[in-house]
Amino acid sequence: DAMVIQNPRYQVTQFGKPVTLSCSQTLNHNVMYWYQQKSSQAPKLLFHYYDKDFNNEADTPDNFQSRRPNTSFCFLDIRSPGLGDAAMYLCATSRDGRGEGYTFGSGTRLTVV
Amino acid sequence: AQTVTQSQPEMSVQEAETVTLSCTYDTSENNYYLFWYKQPPSRQMILVIRQEAYKQQNATENRFSVNFQKAAKSFSLKISDSQLGDTAMYFCAYPAGGSNYKLTFGKGTLLTVNP
Repeated sequence: DAMVIQNPRYQVTQFGKPVTLSCSQTLNHNVMYWYQQKSSQAPKLLFHYYDKDFNNEADTPDNFQSRRPNTSFCFLDIRSPGLGDAAMYLCATSRDGRGEGYTFGSGTRLTVV
Repeated sequence: AQTVTQSQPEMSVQEAETVTLSCTYDTSENNYYLFWYKQPPSRQMILVIRQEAYKQQNATENRFSVNFQKAAKSFSLKISDSQLGDTAMYFCAYPAGGSNYKLTFGKGTLLTVNP
């Protein structure tokens, strides 16, 4: 089945230690998104790629970066995680970002110790 | 600014009954799409139902239907014959944007279905 896969499901990292979360898709969708979701809150968009074009949200901290080496994979890098970065990170894909809705991965729950 | 508002943080319903979740939005676009997503506890976000604004007919997916009122910018979700598995956070969402569309979520409504 075509899907969006996020690894790992759970990630524990130390305060200040760089961490990378990964997302892959078999849907061949043009657009890939990274959302941050804190407990009982709506997902907050960090950035997205439309093909190779990177689009950063204005309020996304510089501590967060992303890479999309090819259509299938997208990575979220947190350079120096703080306690406030503990959250669920959701990857989503869309064919055109508009009409068909988004397909979400299962998420990676990040804990910072 | 394009926003999505869900005014009910929490709701509960008895199994087999009907419940309606509210959503209003603000947009200057004429042709757009609206979505309801479901996020069960500790589980994946999934698409429940989708509405195209240029279609007057309300979307329906099995037990899930919407009441779309374009002029009022209202997009409510009706769940009929509620089941225990419907317990989840429900998000209303709208792909706001200009050249790049980005899904904007409401704050969500936590629905609990009681046996």
